[in-house]
Amino acid sequence: GQNIDQPTEMTATEGAIVQINCTYQTSGFNGLFWYQQHAGEAPTFLSYNVLDGLEEKGRFSSFLSRSKGYSYLLLKELQMKDSASYLCAVKDSNYQLIWGAGTKLIIKP
Amino acid sequence: NAGVTQTPKFQVLKTGQSMTLQCAQDMNHEYMSWYRQDPGMGLRLIHYSVGAGITDQGEVPNGYNVSRSTTEDFPLRLLSAAPSQTSVYFCASSAGEGGNEKLFFGSGTQLSVL
Repeated sequence: GQNIDQPTEMTATEGAIVQINCTYQTSGFNGLFWYQQHAGEAPTFLSYNVLDGLEEKGRFSSFLSRSKGYSYLLLKELQMKDSASYLCAVKDSNYQLIWGAGTKLIIKP
Repeated sequence: NAGVTQTPKFQVLKTGQSMTLQCAQDMNHEYMSWYRQDPGMGLRLIHYSVGAGITDQGEVPNGYNVSRSTTEDFPLRLLSAAPSQTSVYFCASSAGEGGNEKLFFGSGTQLSVL
């Protein structure tokens, strides 16, 4: 079966750095996405990785290792507004998205 | 641009009632989809469409119907609501199905079936 694993919840301090991990087992691979979802709102796109390595976009970076079936989202200089759920999703061989359950990130002052 | 417009925001139904969730996008996207989001679970695909006149089933299609008569609109119909359909529903669209195509989501519908 296809599976995406993420931690359920993480806590971090304002101004710090946090890494949210995602491991996947899917039938084929056509890219990995990270979305941010604030409570009561819709998911919004953060990043896309299809090749191994690190993609940096401002305070957010996303890493992919296809051989290990592993990705992480790195958030730097945490702000209170970063409190949200972070969803990892993989496109399989049929270009269907398989979603993780999401990681709820709590930022404390 | 409005993006993806989804209505209603909230809905309460009694078991056995039917209703339609509306979804419209103004980005000329070919791909549209409906997801449900339940606590502790990833988003689950209900139905999707790769263009006007074309629809297909996702992971959890039972109890739902869709149609795609225009590029812009993709309504989701609940035929006979059941408590198991209590969930948050999201409509989403993208320019295509390709690997790097990101989804744009509507604001969601909180549905409760009593």
